Amino acid sequence: GAVVSQHPSRVICKSGTSVKIECRSLDFQATTMFWYRQFPKQSLMLMATSNEGSKATYEQGVEKDKFLINHASLTLSTLTVTSAHPEDSSFYICSRGTSREADTQYFGPGTRLTVL
Amino acid sequence: AQSVTQLDSHVSVSEGTPVLLRCNYSSSYSPSLFWYVQHPNKGLQLLLKYTSAATLVKGINGFEAEFKKSETSFHLTKPSAHMSDAAEYFCVVRPYSSASKIIFGSGTRLSIRP
Repeated sequence: GAVVSQHPSRVICKSGTSVKIECRSLDFQATTMFWYRQFPKQSLMLMATSNEGSKATYEQGVEKDKFLINHASLTLSTLTVTSAHPEDSSFYICSRGTSREADTQYFGPGTRLTVL
Repeated sequence: AQSVTQLDSHVSVSEGTPVLLRCNYSSSYSPSLFWYVQHPNKGLQLLLKYTSAATLVKGINGFEAEFKKSETSFHLTKPSAHMSDAAEYFCVVRPYSSASKIIFGSGTRLSIRP
């Protein structure tokens, strides 16, 4: 069964509004989770590493003030897209590893964001 | 620098025929290598992984991949394609030097003809 869930699966919002996406680790307390963005017909691009109890680590070119990440508990990381614009429309996917298989990532089902 | 290259953006095969999806990697260290599958508007599912044990790795749904260090390749194969195999496939490398950060290939779209 699924080990990572995301909510919502699909969201449509108006330009200028903020959207929060939740990523939950269902069977494992994850100190680290990852957020990716995928544009149509493209590969996944790592946006940031979410660290429980500390600041997220953002990849080069990703605006930390626009993509706010909060990892308040060992099972929940949230990504908030602030002041969303149409170019932020994308498929957002989170993932986490395990302690036993530190090199293996398990992915959530993704969230389709459409900004009008 | 570490990287992964998927040589074909699109592969089309007939149902019942073999599948070959090609992947080459570049890594300064002994990497871990993965294949993930993504069905439309879905997350990624792990098919198989190589982590320096057996070079021939068997995965789910009849897929397997062979790690060839001399060729820096990790091609994905399946003896007989099924209609349900139609999806996007990603080859992924985790360089030994990285904690859990992974690098994605550009993806290969697999189409199955009836």
